[in-house]
Amino acid sequence: DAGVTQSPTHLIKTRGQQVTLRCSPISGHKSVSWYQQVLGQGPQFIFQYYEKEERGRGNFPDRFSARQFPNYSSELNVNALLLGDSALYLCASSLYGQNTEAFFGQGTRLTVV
Amino acid sequence: LAKTTQPISMDSYEGQEVNITCSHNNIATNDYITWYQQFPSQGPRFIIQGYKTKVTNEVASLFIPADRKSSTLSLPRVSLSDTAVYYCLVGDYSYNTNAGKSTFGDGTTLTVKP
Repeated sequence: DAGVTQSPTHLIKTRGQQVTLRCSPISGHKSVSWYQQVLGQGPQFIFQYYEKEERGRGNFPDRFSARQFPNYSSELNVNALLLGDSALYLCASSLYGQNTEAFFGQGTRLTVV
Repeated sequence: LAKTTQPISMDSYEGQEVNITCSHNNIATNDYITWYQQFPSQGPRFIIQGYKTKVTNEVASLFIPADRKSSTLSLPRVSLSDTAVYYCLVGDYSYNTNAGKSTFGDGTTLTVKP
């Protein structure tokens, strides 16, 4: 079975632009969470979706939004990009809620210039 | 939201047992303790999870004292490939509530030397 897949793997954007990151969970997993990991720090929780509903939101500005589709894949959108948004964006899927075993993808490396 | 405290870094040698302790003084009744491993430019990988006492799997053991205010991840006979960052997480298991948020701290960077 395929693991969690994220696309694209790398991305370069200019300040002020908008970006969409995509995540396909492991087959059968209905919960998807998004994390931001800045270099040298641990992942920071952004969103959790379960059964297509938002179940948790971290301390991120409204420029960050997400959604989950009927096939449980998910998109993370970031508007009005700032240099500080440069990070590794990780998607994790799990069978239940966020605090069961989560399986992470390889991440999308976003660079804002 | 329970905050965790771990050592920033640890060094070890191949073949030794490594114990990484995590402090979580404000752990709540519904919280579980989970440990992840992360290699550079990869997503974290689940190692082990527990609620109380001792949990063991094929790669690690997790020791949790009765008061649950700390936990210790034990890695037996480490090798060079165990060099990674290890994160201790504490979070609510009840996914039906928005309280179920896990927070990664900055982790413990373990360096295994030959």
